[in-house]
Amino acid sequence: AQKVTQAQTEISVVEKEDVTLDCVYETRDTTYYLFWYKQPPSGELVFLIRRNSFDEQNEISGRYSWNFQKSTSSFNFTITASQVVDSAVYFCALIDSSYKLIFGSGTRLLVRP
Amino acid sequence: DTAVSQTPKYLVTQMGNDKSIKCEQNLGHDTMYWYKQDSKKFLKIMFSYNNKELIINETVPNRFSPKSPDKAHLNLHINSLELGDSAVYFCASSPGLAGGASTDTQYFGPGTRLTVL
Repeated sequence: AQKVTQAQTEISVVEKEDVTLDCVYETRDTTYYLFWYKQPPSGELVFLIRRNSFDEQNEISGRYSWNFQKSTSSFNFTITASQVVDSAVYFCALIDSSYKLIFGSGTRLLVRP
Repeated sequence: DTAVSQTPKYLVTQMGNDKSIKCEQNLGHDTMYWYKQDSKKFLKIMFSYNNKELIINETVPNRFSPKSPDKAHLNLHINSLELGDSAVYFCASSPGLAGGASTDTQYFGPGTRLTVL
């Protein structure tokens, strides 16, 4: 069965530090999709990125970057030069042939001024 | 220009009552979902509808009944509310293919915080 593990429950950094959020996934499928969502203190779920299993190229979007490695079943998310507004719970998620979006337990990121 | 909207945002009610949460999307998507987020922030899918047809029905008590009057709306009705139903309920939608399940990106509504006293 599919599974997503975010081992870091909570991370605290000082503003301007770089921070990496880890995500490890399990699936028996060769075709699958990985996602990251952000849940700020206001509570909504904001989509950040979707990657398919055939595209292992790293992606950068401003201060955000993602490292997808099939060899280790990981899809890690790095925030460069973190800001207080980055404080949120971040969820990694997986969808495969089950068509069910499976979420990890989330990592709470606190960026202190 | 709200994409996925839910009403109400907060719902406080007594055990045993029946309540509904409404969801609407104006994205033109074919697939809609309901998720439950518990007090530990764990998110789990409950239901998925494609163009008014039930696609996914997780192990959810039959007190929960989704209803999709058209592909832009997916409402959640809960009968005989219990303390354990207290959670945040999220509606979502994705493009998908008419008549089938979807692996597309899901866009979430703002959530409805349900508190059962």
